Amino acid sequence: SQWGEENLQALSIQEGEDVTMNCSYKTYTTVVHWYRQDSGRGPALIILIRSNEREKRSGRLRATLDTSSQSSSLSITAAQCEDTAVYFCATDDQGGRALIFGTGTTVSVSP
Amino acid sequence: GGIITQTPKFLIGQEGQKLTLKCQQNFNHDTMYWYRQDSGKGLRLIYYSITENDLQKGDLSEGYDASREKKSSFSLTVTSAQKNEMAVFLCASSNRGGQDTQYFGPGTRLLVL
Repeated sequence: SQWGEENLQALSIQEGEDVTMNCSYKTYTTVVHWYRQDSGRGPALIILIRSNEREKRSGRLRATLDTSSQSSSLSITAAQCEDTAVYFCATDDQGGRALIFGTGTTVSVSP
Repeated sequence: GGIITQTPKFLIGQEGQKLTLKCQQNFNHDTMYWYRQDSGKGLRLIYYSITENDLQKGDLSEGYDASREKKSSFSLTVTSAQKNEMAVFLCASSNRGGQDTQYFGPGTRLLVL
């Protein structure tokens, strides 16, 4: 499997809190994708971070990539109820044509 | 922008039945994918196609066939549905494989009685 340490399976937080989820991967990758999946829908990309970037931000989202430790993290600042979703990380496969997805982290944000 | 359409939205089949799922994209993307998602789990790659008439097996291809007859469409066939099988099949497309955003359809929910 591409994934070493499993994603943390579930996180429950209150509105306004910050949350971070982590992924570690086994083989070299040039890019890490972070997707969110809302209930009953397909995943949607929220951040894509490449191997020449250590950090990338999009609104309240922040992704980091550490190629030396082969790990990536996604942080949500001041979480809102609408951030409730399953978050997946994914890396490109050896051929660069497909993605390998982690098992996902369920984030539940309550008022 | 573009959209990925999957039909049907729900599919109920019988054990042993051959079932076909369809996917259309209007992004004009070269690469299309089929994933299977079991409840509470991640996505597992079944088949992908980098161009019309091309097929590449993913880790979960056994028990499935696929067909890419046009650039815009990609079909998946469950060759023999397994009793009590329940999963969501997700279609996606991208411009440059793993280097680019994958755009997903809403999924087809399969239930085998």
